[in-house]
Amino acid sequence: DVVMTQSPLSLPLTLGQPASISCRSSQSLVYSDGNTYLNWFQQRPGQSPRRLIYKVSNRDSGVPDRFSGSGSGTDFTLKISRVEAEDVGVYYCMQGTHWPWTFGQGTKVEI
Amino acid sequence: QVQLQESGPGLVKPSETLSLTCTVSGGSLSNYYWSWIRQPPGKGLEWIGYIFYTGSTYYNPSLKSRVTISVDTSKNQFSLKVNSVTAADTAMYYCARTGGRAGGDHWGQGTLVTVSS
Repeated sequence: DVVMTQSPLSLPLTLGQPASISCRSSQSLVYSDGNTYLNWFQQRPGQSPRRLIYKVSNRDSGVPDRFSGSGSGTDFTLKISRVEAEDVGVYYCMQGTHWPWTFGQGTKVEI
Repeated sequence: QVQLQESGPGLVKPSETLSLTCTVSGGSLSNYYWSWIRQPPGKGLEWIGYIFYTGSTYYNPSLKSRVTISVDTSKNQFSLKVNSVTAADTAMYYCARTGGRAGGDHWGQGTLVTVSS
């Protein structure tokens, strides 16, 4: 299985600060169709996961533009330009290139 | 707006079969993949498998021998069965609509299944 490694695992922040979460994969995530299936999910306390970003950098509908994704190959980053109280939760990267699809361990964002 | 709702027993005895159903409202099953994902208490997420609306299935090899996912388009539902469960199968189970390899874009609220005698 492709191993997804996130860092840091815990991210204490102050409101208004920027945040950056790294995600590295054990294999390239470039699929045969040319797309890179690296996705980011947010899981607020007590809630289901919610997809924020798909295919590296595409924001889902309704996701604030303070969230952005970047990267290529095996190295990816989720950035929050200015953390707000509602951003508290655990963030997971997930690869959909190689079956079985796998998630990172999660990064806990705390204010 | 598509909504998904998991249903099924919250307690299953060891060695028995875990059975869950996901009911989809606000849209049809057509042209999407439909997934089951689980999350043990306090732990990360594991993709169990998914089914295309035509019935084609893909199972995580770690669970493949014990898992069956099926679809009932007439009821707008899809289901999960896990055989021979142990305490390690205790988890929150989520169903999700999956737009191909981009992961789940709509998720159910999840249902907690505990394996215990």
